[in-house]
Amino acid sequence: NAGVIQTPRHKVTGKGQEATLWCEPISGHSAVFWYRQTIVQGLEFLTYFRNQAPIDDSGMPKERFSAQMPNQSHSTLKIQSTQPQDSAVYLCASSSDSNYAEQFFGPGTRLTVL
Amino acid sequence: GDSVTQKQGQVTLSEDDFLFINCTYSTTTYPTLLWYVQYLGQGPQLLLKVTTANNKGISRGFEATYDKGTTSFHLQKASVQESDSAVYFCALVEAGNTGKLIFGLGTTLQVQP
Repeated sequence: NAGVIQTPRHKVTGKGQEATLWCEPISGHSAVFWYRQTIVQGLEFLTYFRNQAPIDDSGMPKERFSAQMPNQSHSTLKIQSTQPQDSAVYLCASSSDSNYAEQFFGPGTRLTVL
Repeated sequence: GDSVTQKQGQVTLSEDDFLFINCTYSTTTYPTLLWYVQYLGQGPQLLLKVTTANNKGISRGFEATYDKGTTSFHLQKASVQESDSAVYFCALVEAGNTGKLIFGLGTTLQVQP
């Protein structure tokens, strides 16, 4: 069991560029979650999918952030026109059908916007 | 909305000391409560989970008890080791939501040998 895989581990973008972050959930898990982690705000929920369908995107900044789950083996988080305040560690987690509260996190992608 | 409060930003102990990390929560229901631990360079991992059904969680020497009266879910360990140094997050499952977790800001534990 490889655990949740996130790529890249580190990404540096210039202000105004696009960033795409990838997540591969644990095989067999039906739910995928995205969180953002900063020193000031801590761990903030962004969005989640269940069986590939978007369930709750209440934490997503509306204008530049989008997430997709085109198949059960990966999800992407895209940030358009990145801004310095988007700098954070973006964490992906997955969980099984029987226990959505027990989420398994990946190591995160550290995004730095210059 | 639902919230979790951890008042201690940093705790520094020596090996074999007793650990107590404070956590209180605010919600309209009786939620599932969790403690996650995050080691340097890794994502958070579940340490223990408690529901209203079982009231107390124990894992790897850590324990936490669900107290509905004081809406608290403090984490304790009788004797810490240097390897316990990490950031500890209290969390709850948002009311009416099957998966969204609300986290506290975290408590950094540093254990000196």
